[in-house]
Amino acid sequence: NAGVTQTPKFQVLKTGQSMTLQCAQDMNHEYMSWYRQDPGMGLRLIHYSVGAGITDQGEVPNGYNVSRSTTEDFPLRLLSAAPSQTSVYFCASSRVSNTEAFFGQGTRLTVV
Amino acid sequence: EDQVTQSPEALRLQEGESSSLNCSYTVSGLRGLFWYRQDPGKGPEFLFTLYSAGEEKEKERLKATLTKKESFLHITAPKPEDSATYLCAVQAGAGNMLTFGGGTRLMVKP
Repeated sequence: NAGVTQTPKFQVLKTGQSMTLQCAQDMNHEYMSWYRQDPGMGLRLIHYSVGAGITDQGEVPNGYNVSRSTTEDFPLRLLSAAPSQTSVYFCASSRVSNTEAFFGQGTRLTVV
Repeated sequence: EDQVTQSPEALRLQEGESSSLNCSYTVSGLRGLFWYRQDPGKGPEFLFTLYSAGEEKEKERLKATLTKKESFLHITAPKPEDSATYLCAVQAGAGNMLTFGGGTRLMVKP
């Protein structure tokens, strides 16, 4: 079972560049979400989706876009990277929102 | 605003020395409290979900309990392989957001 797969695992961007972090799950989960994890800040929700075609903002959405065209995929787009977006990003999925979430292995992003 | 506070931030134990981790929360309408384990360089791994005060769940050396204000993760006779960061999260109200605490880093020495 693959579970939740994130790519890439590591990325270095220059300020102003754009990129997409990929997330795919093979468990047919309706709920998917993106978090960032920073030292001393814990995990913070960026965006989430309760199903294909439906997305909503989390706690720290500025500078990020998402879309959900299929149940399996939930990409996170950085439109114009900033050093403040240096972080470890985790994608998660769950059957519904208040059940156990399965996390990917994370993407470590550095913006210089 | 939902708040979750975990204590202590770090805990060093000798192998076999039992202890408890605390997760205190301030929310309106708790829908679920979650415990996760996170190893360095990995994503969080689900441990337990608790839905109502008085509920308890166990898994190997771990036992999670829930009151109206806090949750405890009790670790009985820990082993070095229990060393990890333990995260607590809550979901409350009508929304779908999970709010995480800052975590407790547990180190178990042989």
